[in-house]
Amino acid sequence: GDSVTQMEGPVTLSEEAFLTINCTYTATGYPSLFWYVQYPGEGLQLLLKATKADDKGSNKGFEATYRKETTSFHLEKGSVQVSDSAVYFCALSEGAGSSASKIIFGSGTRLSIRP
Amino acid sequence: KAGVTQTPRYLIKTRGQQVTLSCSPISGHRSVSWYQQTPGQGLQFLFEYFSETQRNKGNFPGRFSGRQFSNSRSEMNVSTLELGDSALYLCASSLSPGADNQPQHFGDGTRLSIL
Repeated sequence: GDSVTQMEGPVTLSEEAFLTINCTYTATGYPSLFWYVQYPGEGLQLLLKATKADDKGSNKGFEATYRKETTSFHLEKGSVQVSDSAVYFCALSEGAGSSASKIIFGSGTRLSIRP
Repeated sequence: KAGVTQTPRYLIKTRGQQVTLSCSPISGHRSVSWYQQTPGQGLQFLFEYFSETQRNKGNFPGRFSGRQFSNSRSEMNVSTLELGDSALYLCASSLSPGADNQPQHFGDGTRLSIL
């Protein structure tokens, strides 16, 4: 079945450092890809998404590009802030169109930013 | 616009009891999905409802069930609770099934603890 693999955490960086969180996927169809963020004590928030190959999703300084050839969707940010400390989940949606909306999540990467 | 509302936020039960969790989707959203989040298994899809019908189901035992009402509000029920059911249960809503351009919006979850 479809699956998502993302880099193990925790990841600890200093403020203003460059961030990359790797994510690769396995899918039989043409999934949409997402990054969700979970702050302590809260539910998931959609950070960004891409629905087809070569799409770039971006939000709050974060970016990720849908790479079909490498089946990857790595998350990047040029300069992280303490407020970015959270758990980040890479995810895909099974099926395209209206056939399904089940989301498969990666295991999550905990990010801690030092002041 | 109010977000996805889950009640209660916290719940403590004992083994063998049953529990009902509630989810009110964003106004206008008709698809509701449920997920279980645990430290060991991560985020796992439970089921999805649309137009009062279960459209998709994850790999969970029959003790886990759900339903959706005509106003799109959803409930999930877990019977004969086990210690392993302790988790954060997340509800997500979207306009309709199919996540291509309709990402799911998550509530803050219900944290269920089994003693």
